[in-house]
Amino acid sequence: EPEVTQTPSHQVTQMGQEVILRCVPISNHLYFYWYRQILGQKVEFLVSFYNNEISEKSEIFDDQFSVERPDGSNFTLKIRSTKLEDSAMYFCASNGERHGETQYFGPGTRLLVL
Amino acid sequence: ILNVEQSPQSLHVQEGDSTNFTCSFPSSNFYALHWYRWETAKSPEALFVMTLNGDEKKKGRISATLNTKEGYSYLYIKGSQPEDSATYLCAFPASGTYKYIFGTGTRLKVLA
Repeated sequence: EPEVTQTPSHQVTQMGQEVILRCVPISNHLYFYWYRQILGQKVEFLVSFYNNEISEKSEIFDDQFSVERPDGSNFTLKIRSTKLEDSAMYFCASNGERHGETQYFGPGTRLLVL
Repeated sequence: ILNVEQSPQSLHVQEGDSTNFTCSFPSSNFYALHWYRWETAKSPEALFVMTLNGDEKKKGRISATLNTKEGYSYLYIKGSQPEDSATYLCAFPASGTYKYIFGTGTRLKVLA
Protein backbone atom coordinates (compact mmCIF):
# COMPACT_ATOMS: atom_id res chain seq x y z
CA GLU A 1 0.00 0.00 0.00
CA PRO A 2 1.39 3.44 -0.89
CA GLU A 3 2.53 5.53 2.04
CA VAL A 4 3.91 8.94 2.83
CA THR A 5 7.55 8.87 3.90
CA GLN A 6 9.59 11.48 5.76
CA THR A 7 13.30 11.96 6.37
CA PRO A 8 15.06 12.29 8.67
CA SER A 9 13.13 10.70 11.51
CA HIS A 10 15.06 12.83 14.02
CA GLN A 11 17.09 16.00 13.61
CA VAL A 12 19.06 17.91 16.21
CA THR A 13 20.28 21.35 15.25
CA GLN A 14 21.73 24.48 16.80
CA MET A 15 19.63 27.61 17.10
CA GLY A 16 20.07 29.79 14.03
CA GLN A 17 20.86 26.92 11.69
CA GLU A 18 18.82 26.05 8.63
CA VAL A 19 17.02 22.72 8.44
CA ILE A 20 15.28 21.00 5.57
CA LEU A 21 12.66 18.39 6.32
CA ARG A 22 11.83 16.05 3.48
CA CYS A 23 8.64 14.26 2.55
CA VAL A 24 7.65 11.99 -0.30
CA PRO A 25 3.85 12.10 -0.62
CA ILE A 26 1.78 9.39 -2.27
CA SER A 27 2.55 9.64 -5.97
CA ASN A 28 -0.84 10.49 -7.49
CA HIS A 29 -1.88 12.89 -4.73
CA LEU A 30 -2.40 16.55 -5.51
CA TYR A 31 -2.68 18.29 -2.12
CA PHE A 32 0.22 18.44 0.34
CA TYR A 33 0.39 19.70 3.88
CA TRP A 34 2.82 20.32 6.71
CA TYR A 35 1.77 20.21 10.34
CA ARG A 36 3.65 20.36 13.59
CA GLN A 37 3.00 19.27 17.13
CA ILE A 38 4.89 20.84 19.97
CA LEU A 39 5.10 18.41 22.88
CA GLY A 40 1.89 18.41 24.88
CA GLN A 41 0.04 20.68 22.46
CA LYS A 42 -2.40 20.30 19.57
CA VAL A 43 -1.41 19.36 16.06
CA GLU A 44 -1.11 22.70 14.24
CA PHE A 45 -1.59 23.37 10.56
CA LEU A 46 1.40 25.10 8.94
CA VAL A 47 0.81 25.18 5.20
CA SER A 48 -1.06 23.58 2.31
CA PHE A 49 0.30 23.28 -1.21
CA TYR A 50 -1.48 22.60 -4.47
CA ASN A 51 -0.57 23.00 -8.12
CA ASN A 52 2.99 23.99 -7.23
CA GLU A 53 2.06 26.86 -5.00
CA ILE A 54 1.02 27.57 -1.44
CA SER A 55 -2.78 27.50 -1.18
CA GLU A 56 -2.94 28.48 2.50
CA LYS A 57 -0.57 29.17 5.35
CA SER A 58 -1.07 29.72 9.04
CA GLU A 59 0.18 32.62 11.11
CA ILE A 60 2.98 30.32 12.34
CA PHE A 61 4.32 30.02 8.78
CA ASP A 62 6.30 33.24 8.69
CA ASP A 63 9.22 34.29 6.49
CA GLN A 64 11.48 31.77 8.22
CA PHE A 65 9.53 28.93 6.64
CA SER A 66 9.33 27.89 3.01
CA VAL A 67 8.08 24.87 1.09
CA GLU A 68 9.08 23.44 -2.23
CA ARG A 69 8.21 20.58 -4.49
CA PRO A 70 11.42 20.62 -6.50
CA ASP A 71 11.12 17.47 -8.60
CA GLY A 72 7.52 16.29 -8.63
CA SER A 73 8.07 13.73 -5.88
CA ASN A 74 9.72 15.38 -2.88
CA PHE A 75 7.94 18.01 -0.80
CA THR A 76 10.27 19.91 1.51
CA LEU A 77 9.86 22.25 4.45
CA LYS A 78 12.77 24.60 5.10
CA ILE A 79 13.26 26.54 8.30
CA ARG A 80 15.84 29.21 7.56
CA SER A 81 17.05 30.15 11.02
CA THR A 82 15.75 27.81 13.67
CA LYS A 83 14.59 29.00 17.05
CA LEU A 84 14.25 27.01 20.26
CA GLU A 85 10.46 27.16 19.91
CA ASP A 86 10.64 25.37 16.54
CA SER A 87 11.36 22.15 18.43
CA ALA A 88 8.42 19.91 17.57
CA MET A 89 7.30 16.87 15.63
CA TYR A 90 6.72 17.85 11.99
CA PHE A 91 4.27 15.84 9.92
CA CYS A 92 3.74 15.84 6.20
CA ALA A 93 0.40 14.72 4.75
CA SER A 94 -1.15 14.37 1.33
CA ASN A 95 -4.52 13.70 -0.17
CA GLY A 96 -5.91 12.92 -3.58
CA GLU A 97 -8.09 15.04 -5.80
CA ARG A 98 -9.89 17.39 -3.43
CA HIS A 99 -9.07 19.25 -0.26
CA GLY A 100 -11.12 17.68 2.52
CA GLU A 101 -10.62 14.08 1.41
CA THR A 102 -8.88 11.50 3.57
CA GLN A 103 -5.37 12.65 4.45
CA TYR A 104 -2.44 10.27 4.64
CA PHE A 105 0.26 11.19 7.11
CA GLY A 106 3.95 10.47 7.18
CA PRO A 107 5.65 9.17 10.33
CA GLY A 108 6.99 12.60 11.25
CA THR A 109 10.37 14.22 11.85
CA ARG A 110 11.23 15.08 15.42
CA LEU A 111 13.19 18.34 15.39
CA LEU A 112 15.14 19.45 18.42
CA VAL A 113 16.68 22.92 18.40
CA LEU A 114 19.39 23.50 21.00
CA ILE B 1 -11.10 31.98 15.65
CA LEU B 2 -12.20 28.47 14.70
CA ASN B 3 -11.73 25.93 17.45
CA VAL B 4 -12.18 22.17 17.69
CA GLU B 5 -12.58 20.61 21.10
CA GLN B 6 -12.41 16.99 22.14
CA SER B 7 -13.50 15.36 25.37
CA PRO B 8 -12.47 13.71 27.48
CA GLN B 9 -8.73 14.41 27.16
CA SER B 10 -7.93 10.91 28.35
CA LEU B 11 -9.65 7.85 29.67
CA HIS B 12 -8.91 4.38 30.88
CA VAL B 13 -11.35 1.55 30.24
CA GLN B 14 -11.30 -2.15 30.93
CA GLU B 15 -10.99 -4.63 28.11
CA GLY B 16 -14.46 -5.45 26.82
CA ASP B 17 -16.00 -2.12 27.85
CA SER B 18 -17.61 0.09 25.26
CA THR B 19 -16.69 3.74 25.21
CA ASN B 20 -17.29 6.94 23.32
CA PHE B 21 -15.80 10.38 22.99
CA THR B 22 -16.82 13.70 21.53
CA CYS B 23 -15.50 16.16 19.00
CA SER B 24 -17.10 19.64 18.91
CA PHE B 25 -16.56 21.91 15.94
CA PRO B 26 -17.98 25.14 14.47
CA SER B 27 -21.39 24.32 12.98
CA SER B 28 -21.43 27.16 10.45
CA ASN B 29 -19.91 26.60 7.00
CA PHE B 30 -19.43 22.91 7.64
CA TYR B 31 -17.45 21.02 5.02
CA ALA B 32 -16.22 17.75 6.55
CA LEU B 33 -15.01 16.20 9.78
CA HIS B 34 -12.14 13.72 9.96
CA TRP B 35 -11.35 11.14 12.63
CA TYR B 36 -7.83 9.72 13.02
CA ARG B 37 -6.33 7.03 15.18
CA TRP B 38 -2.79 7.79 16.32
CA GLU B 39 -0.66 5.17 17.99
CA THR B 40 2.57 6.20 19.69
CA ALA B 41 5.55 6.34 17.29
CA LYS B 42 3.31 5.86 14.24
CA SER B 43 1.56 8.11 11.72
CA PRO B 44 -2.00 9.26 12.37
CA GLU B 45 -4.24 6.82 10.50
CA ALA B 46 -7.48 7.97 8.91
CA LEU B 47 -10.60 6.33 10.33
CA PHE B 48 -13.50 8.27 8.88
CA VAL B 49 -14.34 11.30 6.79
CA MET B 50 -17.84 12.49 7.72
CA THR B 51 -19.65 14.89 5.45
CA LEU B 52 -23.43 14.60 5.82
CA ASN B 53 -25.55 15.55 8.81
CA GLY B 54 -26.82 12.35 10.42
CA ASP B 55 -24.03 10.30 8.84
CA GLU B 56 -23.01 7.16 10.66
CA LYS B 57 -19.88 5.31 9.60
CA LYS B 58 -18.50 2.02 10.87
CA LYS B 59 -15.18 0.22 10.69
CA GLY B 60 -15.18 -3.02 12.64
CA ARG B 61 -15.90 -2.19 16.28
CA ILE B 62 -15.45 1.55 15.75
CA SER B 63 -18.24 3.80 14.56
CA ALA B 64 -18.86 7.52 14.33
CA THR B 65 -21.88 9.78 14.07
CA LEU B 66 -22.18 13.37 12.92
CA ASN B 67 -24.46 16.26 13.83
CA THR B 68 -23.54 19.27 11.73
CA LYS B 69 -26.41 21.45 12.98
CA GLU B 70 -25.17 21.38 16.57
CA GLY B 71 -21.51 20.88 15.70
CA TYR B 72 -20.50 17.57 17.22
CA SER B 73 -19.38 14.09 16.28
CA TYR B 74 -19.19 11.02 18.49
CA LEU B 75 -16.73 8.17 18.12
CA TYR B 76 -17.80 4.85 19.63
CA ILE B 77 -15.68 1.80 20.34
CA LYS B 78 -17.59 -1.38 21.13
CA GLY B 79 -15.88 -4.05 23.24
CA SER B 80 -12.57 -2.21 23.64
CA GLN B 81 -9.39 -4.22 23.20
CA PRO B 82 -5.85 -3.35 24.36
CA GLU B 83 -4.88 -2.74 20.72
CA ASP B 84 -7.44 0.11 20.62
CA SER B 85 -5.15 2.07 22.95
CA ALA B 86 -4.21 5.19 21.01
CA THR B 87 -4.96 8.87 20.72
CA TYR B 88 -8.09 9.60 18.69
CA LEU B 89 -7.95 12.92 16.86
CA CYS B 90 -10.64 14.81 15.03
CA ALA B 91 -9.83 17.42 12.40
CA PHE B 92 -11.97 20.02 10.70
CA PRO B 93 -11.12 21.23 7.21
CA ALA B 94 -12.48 24.74 7.42
CA SER B 95 -14.84 25.58 4.57
CA GLY B 96 -13.48 28.10 2.11
CA THR B 97 -9.90 27.49 3.23
CA TYR B 98 -7.21 24.91 2.67
CA LYS B 99 -6.40 24.48 6.34
CA TYR B 100 -7.29 21.85 8.92
CA ILE B 101 -7.96 22.51 12.56
CA PHE B 102 -7.25 19.66 14.93
CA GLY B 103 -8.70 18.87 18.31
CA THR B 104 -6.49 18.10 21.30
CA GLY B 105 -7.20 14.39 20.95
CA THR B 106 -8.62 11.81 23.35
CA ARG B 107 -5.97 9.48 24.76
CA LEU B 108 -7.53 6.04 25.29
CA LYS B 109 -5.90 3.32 27.36
CA VAL B 110 -7.57 -0.08 27.38
CA LEU B 111 -6.51 -2.18 30.34
CA ALA B 112 -6.29 -5.95 29.89
